[in-house]
Amino acid sequence: DVKVTQSSRYLVKRTGEKVFLECVQDMDHENMFWYRQDPGLGLRLIYFSYDVKMKEKGDIPEGYSVSREKKERFSLILESASTNQTSMYLCASSSRAREEFYYGYTFGSGTRLTVV
Amino acid sequence: GENVEQHPSTLSVQEGDSAVIKCTYSDSASNYFPWYKQELGKGPQLIIDIRSNVGEKKDQRIAVTLNKTAKHFSLHITETQPEDSAVYFCAARSNSSASKIIFGSGTRLSIRP
Repeated sequence: DVKVTQSSRYLVKRTGEKVFLECVQDMDHENMFWYRQDPGLGLRLIYFSYDVKMKEKGDIPEGYSVSREKKERFSLILESASTNQTSMYLCASSSRAREEFYYGYTFGSGTRLTVV
Repeated sequence: GENVEQHPSTLSVQEGDSAVIKCTYSDSASNYFPWYKQELGKGPQLIIDIRSNVGEKKDQRIAVTLNKTAKHFSLHITETQPEDSAVYFCAARSNSSASKIIFGSGTRLSIRP
């Protein structure tokens, strides 16, 4: 069963801490994405990556960075966590192959991060 | 860039009745429209999708319709059941946005017993 795995379901961190959220996919997908989900705001794209060592800003990149050293792993980094980064974080992946254009994204189960 | 609007934001229907969620998109080059269902505590899962060369697609109690001229697409759930309670997201993708899918803001569907 193919999947996207997020390392933690729940995390509690202190303000100012450096936080790493990890995502691993086993589908050999080129594209990986980080979203945050807040009530009433839907899914907002933070960063995405089309290939190893490549990254592009999404709609709300401020306060975040990412790392993609291996094809299967995409990490989201909160350089100095703040309370307004308390949220559900979702990782997703997709294939860039033309024949898989119509297969959408596969999402992980999410990491609920609380910053206190 | 592409923008996807979704209505309503919340929807409550009696068990057994039908539910309809509507979306509009802005990029006329959009050619793939997936729908995702997110149950409590889980990530969104693809439940049905439609391509731009098709007007309607059905899968058991779920159907999607697409009106390319009006840039509208809709999700229809018939004979709703308690397990249909979830948040539903519509989305659109176009060749001009490469691999990015643009999501609607979500609809929280509640099924009343």
